[in-house]
Amino acid sequence: NAGVTQTPKFQVLKTGQSMTLQCAQDMNHEYMSWYRQDPGMGLRLIHYSVGAGITDQGEVPNGYNVSRSTTEDFPLRLLSAAPSQTSVYFCASSRGKTSGNTIYFGEGSWLTVV
Amino acid sequence: GQSLEQPSEVTAVEGAIVQINCTYQTSGFYGLSWYQQHDGGAPTFLSYNALDGLEETGRFSSFLSRSDSYGYLLLQELQMKDSASYFCAVGGSGSARQLTFGSGTQLTVLP
Repeated sequence: NAGVTQTPKFQVLKTGQSMTLQCAQDMNHEYMSWYRQDPGMGLRLIHYSVGAGITDQGEVPNGYNVSRSTTEDFPLRLLSAAPSQTSVYFCASSRGKTSGNTIYFGEGSWLTVV
Repeated sequence: GQSLEQPSEVTAVEGAIVQINCTYQTSGFYGLSWYQQHDGGAPTFLSYNALDGLEETGRFSSFLSRSDSYGYLLLQELQMKDSASYFCAVGGSGSARQLTFGSGTQLTVLP
C-alpha cells in the first residue's frame, strides 16, 4: 500500500518559473491538503480539498493553485516561483475531517527557488 | 485565528520521562493532536484528544484540559529513537476542521 506519494522529491527553480508538485493517494480518502514547512516552524496549510471538485484556501494560499479532478490526485501549482516559496512541501490525506482523523503525510518535496 | 505555544527544545536521558506542553488560543476548538517528525521525514500521527483527560498509547500519553486551553504529551521510557520534533495541532471550525500546528519541540534523547 503506497499511501501518499509526492513527486518530485527535490526541485530547484528559477524565480518566475512555474511548476507542479504532484500528489496521489491510494487510500480513497476524501480529504487532502497541502502544507509548507519552513525551518524551525510548524506546518502551515496552503490549500485543502474535501472531495473531488471541491477546494478551498488555507492559511498561506497566495502564489499557489490547486485542483481536484479525481479522489486520488491533488496537484499543487506554483504560478510564478519566488524565493519566499523555498520550503518543504507536504501533501496529506485523511479519511475524514483533519481533526479527529489520522492524517497521512507524503514524504515531502524539497523546493528551492533561486 | 488560532495560535499554539510549545517549548522549542527539550533534552532528556534515555529511560527518563519527558513532558512537552502545549497551550493554545483558538476561536473554535475541535481537538488537540500530536505529531512526531524525525529529521528529513514526514510527520506521523501520535495521538488525539477531543475531551479532557488522559489518552494512553503505549509509552506515549496525551492530556487535555479544555478549560485551561492546555495539553501535554508525555513520553515514558525514553529511547534514542524518540529524538525528533513533536508538534501539537488544534482543529479549527472550517469545513475540514483544518489543523493549525505549533512550531514544534525538538526532543533530544541523550545516552
